[in-house]
Amino acid sequence: KAGVTQTPRYLIKTRGQQVTLSCSPISGHRSVSWYQQTPGQGLQFLFEYFSETQRNKGNFPGRFSGRQFSNSRSEMNVSTLELGDSALYLCASSPGGGYEQFFGPGTRLTVL
Amino acid sequence: AQTVTQSQPEMSVQEAETVTLSCTYDTSESDYYLFWYKQPPSRQMILVIRQEAYKQQNATENRFSVNFQKAAKSFSLKISDSQLGDAAMYFCAYRPGGSNYKLTFGKGTLLTVNP
Repeated sequence: KAGVTQTPRYLIKTRGQQVTLSCSPISGHRSVSWYQQTPGQGLQFLFEYFSETQRNKGNFPGRFSGRQFSNSRSEMNVSTLELGDSALYLCASSPGGGYEQFFGPGTRLTVL
Repeated sequence: AQTVTQSQPEMSVQEAETVTLSCTYDTSESDYYLFWYKQPPSRQMILVIRQEAYKQQNATENRFSVNFQKAAKSFSLKISDSQLGDAAMYFCAYRPGGSNYKLTFGKGTLLTVNP
């Protein structure tokens, strides 16, 4: 089975712009979660989608949003980018239940 | 709110030796899962080992084992016969039971393996 894929792998944007990141989960996985990883704050949960519905949300401003499509692929959008949004954004999928989450390679976002 | 604490920012071990990484967590839940993830310099996060809170038996995966002390809310990872490929950042993570899939991570422990 193919693993979790994320596109693009690298992005450079300027303040005020918006960005969309994409995640394709492992085939058959219906849960997709997003995390932000920075040196200062570590790994922080953004949100989780299951069957196209947002089930859980972390403590991020409304500039951060996401969605999930019927094929379980997910997108994350960040509007009005700030310098502090520079981070590695990780996507993870899970088949559900008590199973672990499988992570993608991440998208490195740099905001100038 | 749940918190996960890894008190060792960095650890080092000699190749073939054993090392233990510490993790403590705080929760009022009785049903939850604990994980150790490894993130090598290439950044791909991979699962090392998982533990269900309701299981008293400590999980083991080849050279990796945990010491799960539920009453003390402690979840340490032991790596035996350390190999150069074990060098990575190790994260301890907590997930509640039920339909909440949010993982709460510790700050990580950077493990160096010396030849």
